[in-house]
Amino acid sequence: EVQLVESGGGLVQPGGSLRLSCAASGFTFSDHYMDWVRQAPGKGLEWVGRTRNKANSYTTEYAASVKGRFTISRDDSKNSLYLQMNSLKTEDTAVYYCARDGGITGTSGMDVWGQGTTVTVSS
Amino acid sequence: QSALTQPPSASGSPGQSVTISCTGTSSDVGGYNYVSWYQQHPGKAPKLMIYEVSKRPSGVPDRFSGSKSGNTASLTVSGLQAEDEADYYCSSYAGSNNFEVVFGGGTKLTVL
Repeated sequence: EVQLVESGGGLVQPGGSLRLSCAASGFTFSDHYMDWVRQAPGKGLEWVGRTRNKANSYTTEYAASVKGRFTISRDDSKNSLYLQMNSLKTEDTAVYYCARDGGITGTSGMDVWGQGTTVTVSS
Repeated sequence: QSALTQPPSASGSPGQSVTISCTGTSSDVGGYNYVSWYQQHPGKAPKLMIYEVSKRPSGVPDRFSGSKSGNTASLTVSGLQAEDEADYYCSSYAGSNNFEVVFGGGTKLTVL
């Protein structure tokens, strides 16, 4: 079964850090671009960032709202995706989803999603 | 990059068709054929319904179709069923200098 499982969410104070993980199974993880998407309570979806696959040098892209604070990485040997979040702000409070791009060129939409992990930034 | 513009709500009776629009600019929807649509039921993760403007992933009913004209993409749901009631989000590649993905604000589809 193709599956993504996020972990690492929790309550953190403003200015703090948190690292989210996403464990992949059931598919060749190294072939795919991977994204992080978040959803604030009662709000819509917001793209956080992306890591490309090995064939595209694992390059990363970020939304302007998190650039310089968040870092996406992956470990293909562990079939895992990570999101390191630093200098957290209250507006980063959201459910964070990892998602797989359906193709190997990053254009086929996010066809597999995890169940999400909740991050709450509050004092 | 600004979010794409969707109507906040749409509705239709069972069996009817409804179309949801998604308006962007020449830097996103109009500039790339990489528009996707997602369905999200309350408390659930989003589900991919359409990618690359009009392609349907395996398992998505052919009642769902996508199209694009200029800077506006559209999702049409034909033969509405009760289980189609959900939030729908469009997304697109964006940015001529810096790559990003932008989402629409979402449309709540109600089956009357």
